[in-house]
Amino acid sequence: DIQMTQSPSSLSASVGDRVTIACRASQSISTYLNWYRQKPGKAPKLLIHTASSLQSGVPSRFSGSGFGTDFTLTISSLQPEDFATYYCQQTYIAPWTFGQGTKVEIK
Amino acid sequence: EVQLVESGGGLVQPGGSLRLSCAASGFSFSVYNMNWVRQAPGKGLEWITYISSGSSTTYYADSVKGRFTISRDNAQNSLYLQMNSLRAEDTAMYYCARGADYFYYMDVWGKGTTVTVSS
Repeated sequence: DIQMTQSPSSLSASVGDRVTIACRASQSISTYLNWYRQKPGKAPKLLIHTASSLQSGVPSRFSGSGFGTDFTLTISSLQPEDFATYYCQQTYIAPWTFGQGTKVEIK
Repeated sequence: EVQLVESGGGLVQPGGSLRLSCAASGFSFSVYNMNWVRQAPGKGLEWITYISSGSSTTYYADSVKGRFTISRDNAQNSLYLQMNSLRAEDTAMYYCARGADYFYYMDVWGKGTTVTVSS
């Protein structure tokens, strides 16, 4: 199975900060990499698919990049609703696997 | 409105069975792949199973293979998860999620249904 490793596991930031989360795959996954945001007690929400494509309706402060094994999610200006947990996921080879999550907390 | 609504969760004893349902509305269910994803209390997301639009292809995580069965009824716009031989470690929130073609990302999620396995 492909292992997905996110870093950091948690971070503290302020409203307006630029935040970057990294995700590394244990083998090349081309651009089959997706990012989700999950607020407490809610279902996950797709933010970015295929490494860098912004999902319809998602604010442009979110962006993704990467290819192969190394990927990043960037939030250009953190908003109050962005304090949540973020997950990367590979859908290159089943079983689709998620990273362990990155919790973004208020500083 | 595009919507997925899960049901069928509850408390079940170890070794028992449960069938989850997911009702789809607001889109052409029959042309979309579907998934179940779960989340144990305080833990991360775990994808557990996938079914193609026409039911010809299914995939399972090793953790549920041989115990869980995914199925769908396109005429009823419904997705199902039959869970047998349940274990304490199957305790989780279970989400159904719509899957995109080709790249398989999950673009629509239900609110989830809770399964608790305990004696």
